[in-house]
Amino acid sequence: EAGVAQSPRYKIIEKRQSVAFWCNPISGHATLYWYQQILGQGPKLLIQFQNNGVVDDSQLPKDRFSAERLKGVDSTLKIQPAKLEDSAVYLCASSRGGSGEQYFGPGTRLTVT
Amino acid sequence: KNQVEQSPQSLIILEGKNCTLQCNYTVSPFSNLRWYKQDTGRGPVSLTIMTFSENTKSNGRYTATLDADTKQSSLHITASQLSDSASYICVVSAGGATNKLIFGTGTLLAVQP
Repeated sequence: EAGVAQSPRYKIIEKRQSVAFWCNPISGHATLYWYQQILGQGPKLLIQFQNNGVVDDSQLPKDRFSAERLKGVDSTLKIQPAKLEDSAVYLCASSRGGSGEQYFGPGTRLTVT
Repeated sequence: KNQVEQSPQSLIILEGKNCTLQCNYTVSPFSNLRWYKQDTGRGPVSLTIMTFSENTKSNGRYTATLDADTKQSSLHITASQLSDSASYICVVSAGGATNKLIFGTGTLLAVQP
């Protein structure tokens, strides 16, 4: 069974630029999560999708971050405009249902200069 | 406030030695507790999962314990190997339909030859 795929693996941008991350969850997993992991900290949930609907986006900075999962499979997370404090690893995870075990992708390491 | 605290923050041990990592949590309601291993540049991978009624769970050289009364968990690594060098994250599930996970900040373990 293929794992959660993410791209790109690394991205370096200047502040105020835009960036987008892509995630392909494990086949059949209805729930998809985006996390932000700042160096030395545990992951922080940004947004949770159940199929193509948002379940929890309470910690998503909506003035600059957006995410979508239009067909209930792949998802994209966008930052516009980026700030220095957005430098982090962005992890995507998926699970069969809302209470199932979450499987994580390798993450995208974003550096904002 | 739901919180997961881990100690120590970092640890250096010699190859072949044992070590124990600690996790204290204040999460309610409690559904389960997981220990994840996160290699550098990779997403977290689940090592063990324990529910309220389980005291001990083993996975090879990894043994996790849970004391639901004191809200403490430990992860014991036996006969450490160089490949055990990673961050170990304690994660508590608050349960419910959203399966909200509360992450600790992790213990960074370095195993030296």
